[in-house]
Amino acid sequence: IAGITQAPTSQILAAGRRMTLRCTQDMRHNAMYWYRQDLGLGLRLIHYSNTAGTTGKGEVPDGYSVSRANTDDFPLTLASAVPSQTSVYFCASSEGRGQPQHFGDGTRLSIL
Amino acid sequence: QQPVQSPQAVILREGEDAVINCSSSKALYSVHWYRQKHGEAPIFLMILLKGGEQKGHDKISASFNEKKQQSSLYLTASQLSYSGTYFCGTLYNNAGNMLTFGGGTRLMVKP
Repeated sequence: IAGITQAPTSQILAAGRRMTLRCTQDMRHNAMYWYRQDLGLGLRLIHYSNTAGTTGKGEVPDGYSVSRANTDDFPLTLASAVPSQTSVYFCASSEGRGQPQHFGDGTRLSIL
Repeated sequence: QQPVQSPQAVILREGEDAVINCSSSKALYSVHWYRQKHGEAPIFLMILLKGGEQKGHDKISASFNEKKQQSSLYLTASQLSYSGTYFCGTLYNNAGNMLTFGGGTRLMVKP
């Protein structure tokens, strides 16, 4: 079934550790996104990529980095995790700018 | 700047109607609507582009008032399956790629 796969599903991490959240899509969508969702704050964009080889900063990019080496994969890295990065992380993709976004099932991340 | 959704929460009986509003302080190019059930991923409902168009499928429709910089989502004759949190996402120009989401409206439909 076509869609977006995120891994891991959940993770508990010690503060200061490095962590990479994986995201893979098989819909050949050009654009991909990373959001974090915190209670009462809705979805906030961390980073995005309009096409393979390009990335851009979203609303809350500090402490996160991304890469887009190919169309399908868009990993999100926390270089040195802090407790305020405890959240649910969603990866999404769309055919292009402004098009409907398809979301993965999310990664629940807890930083202790 | 985050769009403002209202109400924050609403409880309905099956068959009742509801309206969810999404207001922006900036001029809008388009508005997306998504529904998210607890513990699941958001699901796309519809997009409205500036021009005041109205869209709908089944018993869920939406409008876009460009002058008021506001979109409204209408749920008619609500069903139990409509329960969830509804988010609007706003795009401020056609060159941008950053949807800004509202804080969500929690809808509960009871039998």
